[in-house]
Amino acid sequence: QVQLQESGPGLVNPSQTLSLTCTVSGDSISSGDYYWSWIRQPAGKGLEWIGRIYTSGSTNYNPSLKSRVTISVDRFQNQFSLRLTSVTAADTAVYFCARETWLVQFNWFDPWGQGAPVTVSS
Amino acid sequence: SYELTQPPSVSVSPGQTANITCSGDKLGNKYASWYQQKPGQSPVLVLYENTKRPSAIPERLSGSSSGNTASLTISGTQAMDEADYYCQAWDRSTVVFGGGTKLTVL
Repeated sequence: QVQLQESGPGLVNPSQTLSLTCTVSGDSISSGDYYWSWIRQPAGKGLEWIGRIYTSGSTNYNPSLKSRVTISVDRFQNQFSLRLTSVTAADTAVYFCARETWLVQFNWFDPWGQGAPVTVSS
Repeated sequence: SYELTQPPSVSVSPGQTANITCSGDKLGNKYASWYQQKPGQSPVLVLYENTKRPSAIPERLSGSSSGNTASLTISGTQAMDEADYYCQAWDRSTVVFGGGTKLTVL
């Protein structure tokens, strides 16, 4: 049974960098069968895709966040991480990691982590 | 950028059929996925490739797609189906989510 677990600080100061890690169990990031994604959800609002990474290190990012986002992978720890720089209150959200099945023209996310709430405030 | 539009809310009586739509330009040429999210929980995949269900999802959830619209249909709606539902598609190396539909079972 595949499980994903987000971890990281729940409070980040404005203008600083948000950093989260997703630990994968029950599957190997190195298998190459999936992409590994970050998605966020502000309170009471919808889902926003942040970006994804493949085992090779290849990434895709949401154009609206691309200038501030870096996703990296640690195959030895079976983890992938998110860095979001220059955060503002608008970045306050629950951040989910998810395993993504991608078949060129379409994709889906399953399973998802439980989510990590992050508040940007001084 | 590509957009997916969902009705903010849909209401249904127990035992009746609920239909949740997702509209986007030429969405019928793409493949939609659907997620169910209950309060305080993570989203759960309920449909992928427009019509396919993960093994744990009951048969009363079904999907279709044509033209500019994909649909999630819940037959014999139960109280446990009350949740937010999101559609999602892939477009030009980007993931797009619909705004979500709150399904209320009255």
